[in-house]
Amino acid sequence: SSELTQDPAVSVALGQTVTITCQGDSLRSYYASWYQQKPGQAPVTVIYVKNNRPSGIPDRFSGSSSGNTASLTVTGAQAEDEADYYCNSRDSSGNHLVFGGGTKLTVL
Amino acid sequence: QIQLQESGPGLVTPSETLSLTCTVSGGSINNYYWSWIRQPPGKGLEWIGYIYYSGSTNYNPALTHRVSISIDTSRNQFSLNLNSVTAADTAVYFCARTSWVVAASYYYYMDVWGKGTTVTVSS
Repeated sequence: SSELTQDPAVSVALGQTVTITCQGDSLRSYYASWYQQKPGQAPVTVIYVKNNRPSGIPDRFSGSSSGNTASLTVTGAQAEDEADYYCNSRDSSGNHLVFGGGTKLTVL
Repeated sequence: QIQLQESGPGLVTPSETLSLTCTVSGGSINNYYWSWIRQPPGKGLEWIGYIYYSGSTNYNPALTHRVSISIDTSRNQFSLNLNSVTAADTAVYFCARTSWVVAASYYYYMDVWGKGTTVTVSS
C-alpha cells in the first residue's frame, strides 16, 4: 500500500465541482503535485507543488493543502476530465518520492 | 519543446536484467533531475528513482537493491537497469523530467513525461 492514500473512485455530474483528496503524514511537511492519466496515455501534470498550474491546463483545476491532506478540485467538471488522478509527494522519511494509489474520476 | 522517448526490449526473461534508455530531445539534460516511473497492468504509478545530471541518484527503497540509473549527458540520455526481474516487474515504464520548487524545502514534481514503453517479463 502507498504512503499516500486516495479514494479509489469518485464521480461528479457534468458541470459540477468535485474534490479528490490525498492523505499522508508527509503532506504535513511537503506539498503534493497532481497528475491526470487517461487510458493508454502517459500522465499529464495538472497541478504542481500545491497550487501551480502548468501552461495549457484549464483554470478549473486547482490544488490546496491542509494538515495531512492535499486536495485537487475540479470546478465545473467536463466530460474530458474523466480520467485517473494521482497525487505525488515525498514519503514519510522525506527522502524519496511516492505516488498515491490513484483516484478514478467519472463524469456523469 | 522538450520530448522524452523510452527505448529498450519489450520482453525480458525472468532473472535477467531489464535495461531501458530515455532520450531527451528539444532541450538539454543538464540542470535537471530525471526519473523513472512504472505502472503494472491495471495498477497505479510507482516511482523507481531519479538521477541528477551530475550523476547523484535516489532510489525507491523497495527497489534499491535491484535498480541502477545512469546518465550520459553527451548523448542527452539516461538509463535504467533493473536486475533479477520477475513477472511482478511487468509494467509500462515511463521516463520523466523532474523539476523542483524551492520554498521551505525542495518540492519535486514530474513536468514532462515520455509516452512509456511496455516491458513484459516472461520466459
